[in-house]
Order: sequence, then structure tokens, then C-alpha cells
Amino acid sequence: EAGVAQSPRYKIIEKRQSVAFWCNPISGHATLYWYQQILGQGPKLLIQFQNNGVVDDSQLPKDRFSAERLKGVDSTLKIQPAKLEDSAVYLCASSPLGGGPEAFFGQGTRLTVV
Amino acid sequence: TQLLEQSPQFLSIQEGENLTVYCNSSSVFSSLQWYRQEPGEGPVLLVTVVTGGEVKKLKRLTFQFGDARKDSSLHITAAQTGDTGLYLCAEPTGNQFYFGTGTSLTVIP
Repeated sequence: EAGVAQSPRYKIIEKRQSVAFWCNPISGHATLYWYQQILGQGPKLLIQFQNNGVVDDSQLPKDRFSAERLKGVDSTLKIQPAKLEDSAVYLCASSPLGGGPEAFFGQGTRLTVV
Repeated sequence: TQLLEQSPQFLSIQEGENLTVYCNSSSVFSSLQWYRQEPGEGPVLLVTVVTGGEVKKLKRLTFQFGDARKDSSLHITAAQTGDTGLYLCAEPTGNQFYFGTGTSLTVIP
């Protein structure tokens, strides 16, 4: 079974530029999560989708972050414009409908804003 | 959403030593998970504990859930360099997973 795929693995941008991350979850997983992880800390949930609908985006800085999950499969997370404090690893995870027993994570995208 | 505090935040030990890391909350956990995140990778589930007082073993790793279900510990016996990583506790709540602050472990050869 293929795991959660994310791209790119690394991205370096200047502040005020825009950036987009892509995630393809495990086939058949209805729930998709985007997490932000500051170096050495635990992941913080940004947004949760169930199929193509948003379940929770309460922690998403909506003035600069946006996410979509068209057709209920893959998803993109965008930051525009980026700030220095957005430097982090952005993790995508998926789980079966109903949460399932665990969250399955991709390798993440490491973003550096300079 | 409850805050999951982990301690210590950082730990550096020699290969062969034993160690224990902790996860605490002011509220009762419905259940608790432990994940390990290796450098450059996403977190991977190690174990789920559900019942107060429960002890689970995974090779050299021993997981314990507090009797009151407000704390948990992870004990590693005879640490190896492959144990290096970030250890995260998480509470699965409904359809979400809330992660702790993490313990970064470095095992020195």
C-alpha cells in the first residue's frame, strides 16, 4: 500500500513570496490533515478535511494560508504572502473515515523563509 | 482540546543506557498514542493505550498508561542509535489527533 505522498520535500523562499505544497493521501482515506511543525516541537493542526469538505480550520491563519481538497483526494496548502515565522515542516496526514486507529503521515515539506 | 506536556524536552544519552520520557495532561485521556518521528520523516505510530494502568511492550520499549489516565510514560531499555528521534504522545479525539510538545532523543554511539 502506497503511503502519503508530499511534494516538494524542501522549499526556500523569500518573505512575502507565495508557496504551495501538495499532498496525495493513502487511497481510500476520507480524512486529510495538514499540520505545521516547528523544529523540535509537536505538530499543530492547521486544517482537517473529510472528503472534500472542511471539518476544522480554526487554527489556520486565513489571512495568508489557504487549502483545498478538490474531488476529495489530493490537497494543496498555499501560503501567500509568507512570513519568516512560517518556516517549519508542513506535514500531511490521512486516516480512514471516522478517524481510524492512527494518523498516517507523509515525509513533510521543509519550508525555509528568508 | 487539552495541552499535552512532555518531559524532558531534550535528552541525550549514551548507547546502552535506559531512559524514560513522560506525557502529562490536566485532563483525563480517552486514549493515548505514542509516535516516533525520525529525522526527515513523518511521525509513525508505536502504540495505543486505552485502559488505565495498561502496560504494553514493543521489543525494548515499554509504555505505561497512568491509573487515572492523565499521564503516560515510555521507557526504553538499552537504547540504540536507531532510537534517535522525536517522541510524541497524542490524544486521538473524535476524528482528530492532538500532539504533545515532544521529547527529542539523541542516542550517542
